[in-house]
Amino acid sequence: DAEITQSPRHKITETGRQVTLACHQTWNHNNMFWYRQDLGHGLRLIHYSYGVQDTNKGEVSDGYSVSRSNTEDLPLTLESAASSQTSVYFCASSEHSTRGLTEQYFGPGTRLTVT
Amino acid sequence: GQQLNQSPQSMFIQEGEDVSMNCTSSSIFNTWLWYKQEPGEGPVLLIALYKAGELTSNGRLTAQFGITRKDSFLNISASIPSDVGIYFCAGRSGGTSYGKLTFGQGTILTVHP
Repeated sequence: DAEITQSPRHKITETGRQVTLACHQTWNHNNMFWYRQDLGHGLRLIHYSYGVQDTNKGEVSDGYSVSRSNTEDLPLTLESAASSQTSVYFCASSEHSTRGLTEQYFGPGTRLTVT
Repeated sequence: GQQLNQSPQSMFIQEGEDVSMNCTSSSIFNTWLWYKQEPGEGPVLLIALYKAGELTSNGRLTAQFGITRKDSFLNISASIPSDVGIYFCAGRSGGTSYGKLTFGQGTILTVHP
């Protein structure tokens, strides 16, 4: 069965370290998204991609970067982790093309703690 | 940027009661979605609405796309303990932002047996 996976599921890191969170989907979806979830804020968009080599900033992109070298993966990098980036991170994918429309499917999330 | 106001923020109800929650927006959306998130998991799509005025059901869940295109409602009838979770509304405005969703803050639902 097609799916979307995230790794690691839990991560503890120190302030200032570079951290990369992985997201992998097997639906062959063009669109991929990264969100963070914090109490009282719901899901806020960090970065998104509409296809290979395409990346765009979301509403809370400062301190984060992404790259899209293939259809299946959109890794999220925290260049220099800060305590304010302690959060739960969700990856999602969707399809919106001549092949049809699917709404966003979400991964299981990564809980990141920056100490 | 676009904002969605979701209410109520939390609900504590008895099993068997009906539940209503809603989202309002400062701008127009052409798609409204409702997701449910259970502890330790990612959100799961419940209902998608694509036309103003549309009323769609999924079992005990019913959602409506407001006529003004600035609001949406989700009703759960005869709640059961497994309805517990966080419910999110999400809107999409289309155009060059066709893939992006804006999420509400979520409604935390607790159901007492």
